[in-house]
Formats: sequence, C-alpha cells, structure tokens
Amino acid sequence: EDKVVQSPLSLVVHEGDTVTLNCSYEVTNFRSLLWYKQEKKAPTFLFMLTSSGIEKKSGRLSSILDKKELSSILNITATQTGDSAIYLCAVAVGGTSYGKLTFGQGTILTVHP
Amino acid sequence: EAQVTQNPRYLITVTGKKLTVTCSQNMNHEYMSWYRQDPGLGLRQIYYSMNVEVTDKGDVPEGYKVSRKEKRNFPLILESPSPNQTSLYFCASSLWGSAVRTGELFFGEGSRLTVL
Repeated sequence: EDKVVQSPLSLVVHEGDTVTLNCSYEVTNFRSLLWYKQEKKAPTFLFMLTSSGIEKKSGRLSSILDKKELSSILNITATQTGDSAIYLCAVAVGGTSYGKLTFGQGTILTVHP
Repeated sequence: EAQVTQNPRYLITVTGKKLTVTCSQNMNHEYMSWYRQDPGLGLRQIYYSMNVEVTDKGDVPEGYKVSRKEKRNFPLILESPSPNQTSLYFCASSLWGSAVRTGELFFGEGSRLTVL
C-alpha cells in the first residue's frame, strides 16, 4: 500500500520566521512528488519534483526531493500571514496505476503577525 | 473562464438515499479524479479517470461509483450513503500530459456532504 506521511501536522510561527515542512513516502513505482497549498477552498499547485528535477524555487518558497531518503522538504522563508494554510504533499505513481495520487495528511501552518 | 464546477456545493441527506455529485470541466482535460478530505487525513483519492470510459480505483473507492461517458463530466455516485461518507469532496482535472510536466491539478470548489 502506498503511503505518504507529512510532518509536523501543525506549526505556529511568527511573521518573518523560516519554516521547513517534511514529506516522506513509501510507494511502488514513484513518478513525481507534488506540493499544494490549501487556503479556505480548493488546493492550488506549488511544485512538482521528479527524478530529473529535484529542486524547485518560486519566490520565498523552495522544495527539494531527496531520492535516497524518499522524502521532500518545503521551505518557506520570511513567512507572512498570507502563508497560513494547509500544505499538502502528494505522490504520483507510474506503471499500471498511472493516474493514482496519494496525499499526505497535510501540515497546518499558522503565521501570526 | 477555465474552471471545474461541482454541484451541489452543500448537501444534507439521510442514510440510504442515493445521491450524485456532479463534476464538469471546460478545459478539455483528459484526466479527472475525485477526493474526499477529512480532518487529520488529508486528501484521499476515491476514483480517477484517464479518459472517456476509462476509470480506476484510488485509495478509498468503497461505497462510491463513477462513470465517464463524456470527456467534460465525471459524476460521483453514492448508491447508499452512510454517515461515514460525511466529508468534503473535491473533483479535479488535468491535461495529463501537462500534469506529467507540471503536476498541476485544477480543483473544483468542493462539495460538503453530510449524511445523517
């Protein structure tokens, strides 16, 4: 059974802090790892990491895939109150289950002013 | 406007009364999928469809049915809802080739279902 675990489950910080969110996975036939941000409604896409693209960066957010440790981290520097959200990690697999996505439990990030 | 539309957005129903949650996308996406979201459990995939007439089970398909007769529509059917199906449901779609390159799923606004 494919498994994705995120940690911590919740995190409270103050504006300006740097945070690191973790995602580890055990899946058969790994294809890609995805990060999404969910505010009040639907998740929105942040990054995709694959074996051929293990580091992504966009503004204050960056993510790295560690293929050896079967994990990924999402870093947010100089946090702002607008970063408060649930951060979701998901793993896509290939082979006969192409199209299957397994999500972690999510990390609830709260940024106080 | 490119969007994924789910209906109903909110529904309270009773155990055993069949219901359908519709999902429609206007982006000509091949890939569509359904998820449920429960506190502490994140999103869990129920079913997915790679194209018309092609559907497959996700992690939690029990108690649900889907069909994909047209490219734009992917309804989720609860034949005999039970209280443990009370949840927030999301439909999502993607150009699967695009998803391979970018990983971007487009989500609907969600449907909050309560089964009494």
